[in-house]
Amino acid sequence: QVQLVQSGAEVKKPGSSVKISCKASGGTFNTAGISWVRQAPGQGLEWMGRIIPIVGITKYAQNFQGRLTITADKSTTTAYMELSSLEPDDTAVYSCAKGVALDPWGQGTLVTVSS
Amino acid sequence: DIQMTQSPSSLSASVGDRVTITCRASQGIRNDLSWYQQKAGKAPKRLIYAASSLQSGVPSRFSGSGFGTEFTLTISSLQPEDFATYYCLQHNSYPWTFGQGTKVEIK
Repeated sequence: QVQLVQSGAEVKKPGSSVKISCKASGGTFNTAGISWVRQAPGQGLEWMGRIIPIVGITKYAQNFQGRLTITADKSTTTAYMELSSLEPDDTAVYSCAKGVALDPWGQGTLVTVSS
Repeated sequence: DIQMTQSPSSLSASVGDRVTITCRASQGIRNDLSWYQQKAGKAPKRLIYAASSLQSGVPSRFSGSGFGTEFTLTISSLQPEDFATYYCLQHNSYPWTFGQGTKVEIK
C-alpha cells in the first residue's frame, strides 16, 4: 500500500520561498502522478498542480503560474513543491496526493507566512 | 479553466434524511468527476469516481450521478458519521478544479 510522508511544518517571512517534500513508499510513483492541494484555514480545497514523474510533465493552476514549481526525484520516489514570493494569504496546509484518484494523501504540511 | 459550482454551500439535516449535493461544470467534463468527504483535521476521502462508481469500502447509501455538466451526490439515509464537508473534483482537463465544498451539519 502506497504511503506518502511529507516534510514538517514551516514558518516563512513574506517574500520568501518554501519547499515541501512528499516521499512515496510501497507502490507506484513514476506513472501515477502526484498532485499538490492546499487548504487555507477554514477554506476549501485548492488544486495547485501535478507532476507525472516518469515523463516529467507538470501542470499548474493559473493562480500559481510563475511562482510554483513541482519536481520529482525518481531515484528517491520523492516529489517536491516549491512556492515562491510567499504572502500571508499563502498560509495553509499543503498536501500531496497520488494519482487521478488523489489517494492516498500525505499527512499535510502547515506553512505559516508571517512577518 | 473549468469552474465547478457546488451547491448548497452548507445544509442542516437529521439522521435518516436524504441529502443531495450538486456540482455544475462550466463546460462538459464527460464523467471525469469524483466526490470526496473531508472530516475536520483529516485528509479527504474519495467516495465516488467516474461520476457514479462507488469507491471500494464506501457504504452503499452514497451514490453519484450525472454526465457532462450536471452532477449529484446523494446520501440516501444520513448517518451520524456522515456529518462532514463534501467536495467534487473535475479531472477532465487541466487545471483540475474542486467545487467550493458543502458542509453537512446536524439539524
